[in-house]
This record gives sequence, C-alpha cells and structure tokens, in this order.
Amino acid sequence: NAGVTQTPKFQVLKTGQSMTLQCAQDMNHEYMSWYRQDPGMGLRLIHYSVGAGITDQGEVPNGYNVSRSTTEDFPLRLLSAAPSQTSVYFCATTLGTGVMAGELFFGEGSRLTVL
Amino acid sequence: AQTVTQSQPEMSVQEAETVTLSCTYDTSESDYYLFWYKQPPSRQMILVIRQEAYKQQNATENRFSVNFQKAAKSFSLKISDSQLGDAAMYFCAEYNNNDMRFGAGTRLTVKP
Repeated sequence: NAGVTQTPKFQVLKTGQSMTLQCAQDMNHEYMSWYRQDPGMGLRLIHYSVGAGITDQGEVPNGYNVSRSTTEDFPLRLLSAAPSQTSVYFCATTLGTGVMAGELFFGEGSRLTVL
Repeated sequence: AQTVTQSQPEMSVQEAETVTLSCTYDTSESDYYLFWYKQPPSRQMILVIRQEAYKQQNATENRFSVNFQKAAKSFSLKISDSQLGDAAMYFCAEYNNNDMRFGAGTRLTVKP
C-alpha cells in the first residue's frame, strides 16, 4: 500500500520553465490538496479538490494550476516558474468527512528550486 | 479565513521532562478540527494528535496530550517524558470546510 506518492522528489528549474509535480494516491480518498512549505511560514494551501472534476483555490493559488480527472491523481502545474516558487511542495489527502475529517495523509514532499 | 499562531519558534526540553507547545487560532466556524503534526528531519509529516471542537474532553495519545480551551481559542500540546525521537518541527493546524491552515511551527530540541 503506497499511500500518497509524489514525483519528482527534487527538481531544479530555470525562470520561465514549466513543469508538473505529480501526486497519486491509492487510498480512494476524495479530498486531495497541494501545500507549499517555506521557512517561518508553515504550510500554505495552494489548491485542493473534493473529487474528480472539482478543484478550488486555497490560500496561495497564483502561478499554479491543477486538474483532477481521476480520483487517484492530482497534478500541480507551474506554467512559468519564478524564483518565488522555490519551496518544498506537499501533496496531502484525506477521507474528508466524519471522524476522519481533516486528518491528512502526506506525501514525502518535492523540493523545487527555481534559478 | 482562519489563522493559526504558534508563538514559540523554538523550544528545548531535557530528556524525560515535560514540555508544552502553544497554539492559538482564530476562526468564526463552530464546527472545526484541530491537529498537531510532527515533521522530523526526514520531512515526512506525521499526525500526533487531533481534537474535535465539539468535544470538551481533551485528547490524549500516549505521552501526548492537549489542553483545548475553546473560548480562548487555544490548543496547546503537552509532551510528557520527552524522548530524543521527539525532536522535530511541530505544526498546529485547524481544519474546517475543506480548508486546513497551519501555524508557522515550533522547532523542538531534546537534550540528552
């Protein structure tokens, strides 16, 4: 049981390049989300999805796009990378309802550096 | 939107002693959940403990317990009998309406 899988774990980009961070889960969770972690700022929500075909913005959505075509996958796209997007990115999922609400299962994180 | 504040960027505790990490939050929702997550150097986020806002009883998980003061919007984490493996970043978080907000974190050092 892999849980939440993120790829790649490390990536270096040049300003203006595009890339996609992949997130896949095998727990059949409806809720998936992307966070970025910056020193002194904790984790901030970028985008989230409550099910296939449904996405919504979080606290810091600018510069990022997402889509949710299947329950299992929730890719995060950077269309034109900027140095301000240098961060560690986490994908997280939750069952999202009832007693499991909010209990997030995290991937291992992806460290992105934009030069 | 809710905000979560951790006022202690760093804390230190002697092995086997007790330490309390502070957290306050600000939400207008009546139905929400509170969490403490631990992040060791491996970077993996690990759930430590959770508290449902509608429950008055403080949550406990082995050596970890919380002091949940709903009226004061305070949610502190107490670690008893601290162990070297407890050294990590600790994040307080609040969840409601599909939105999870985290505090900036407290770095806990455990001295042998």
